[in-house]
Amino acid sequence: SQKIEQNSEALNIQEGKTATLTCNYTNYSPAYLQWYRQDPGRGPVFLLLIRENEKEKRKERLKVTFDTTLKQSLFHITASQPADSATYLCAARSGAGSYQLTFGKGTKLSVIP
Amino acid sequence: DTGVSQDPRHKITKRGQNVTFRCDPISEHNRLYWYRQTLGQGPEFLTYFQNEAQLEKSRLLSDRFSAERPKGSFSTLEIQRTEQGDSAMYLCASRGTGTRRGPDTQYFGPGTRLTVL
Repeated sequence: SQKIEQNSEALNIQEGKTATLTCNYTNYSPAYLQWYRQDPGRGPVFLLLIRENEKEKRKERLKVTFDTTLKQSLFHITASQPADSATYLCAARSGAGSYQLTFGKGTKLSVIP
Repeated sequence: DTGVSQDPRHKITKRGQNVTFRCDPISEHNRLYWYRQTLGQGPEFLTYFQNEAQLEKSRLLSDRFSAERPKGSFSTLEIQRTEQGDSAMYLCASRGTGTRRGPDTQYFGPGTRLTVL
């Protein structure tokens, strides 16, 4: 079955460093991947979308890459700040003809001052 | 754009009772989704509406769950004969037909946290 996997449940980094989160997908080829941020007790908030024909996309301190050979997307936060601490979710449409988004379990990022 | 709202924010119920949650999407959005999220997991798709039509339901969705969107605006999710395993955060999301932010970009509400005792 189609899967979205975020291998790291938690990631701790020092303030100012670059955080790198990984999202892998198996058993299908999504046309695009999305990244969301979720704070405790709140709904996810959309951050970035990257299409399969795009190698990289940037938004302020955020950068996303999409490697269709490795079946992987990397999400980077440069110059990380304690306010970046949250859970980051990767998502993709479940398959052709489906309206479902399939989410990974998320990676909880903690930026230590 | 006042955002997606959900009511109630928290619900505690006893096993066997019925519960109903409401979602008000962003006003111009014609597409509405329900998800369930448990601790340590990502949101899990439950069902999807385009206007008032329910176009997709998760195969994992028990027949105790039913959702409606009678006038293509707000939606309700009802769980009958609740079980302890139904305890979760129930999230609603909406999106419009435009693709300014890209396909399938969804705007989530704050969720309703259900606790079944």
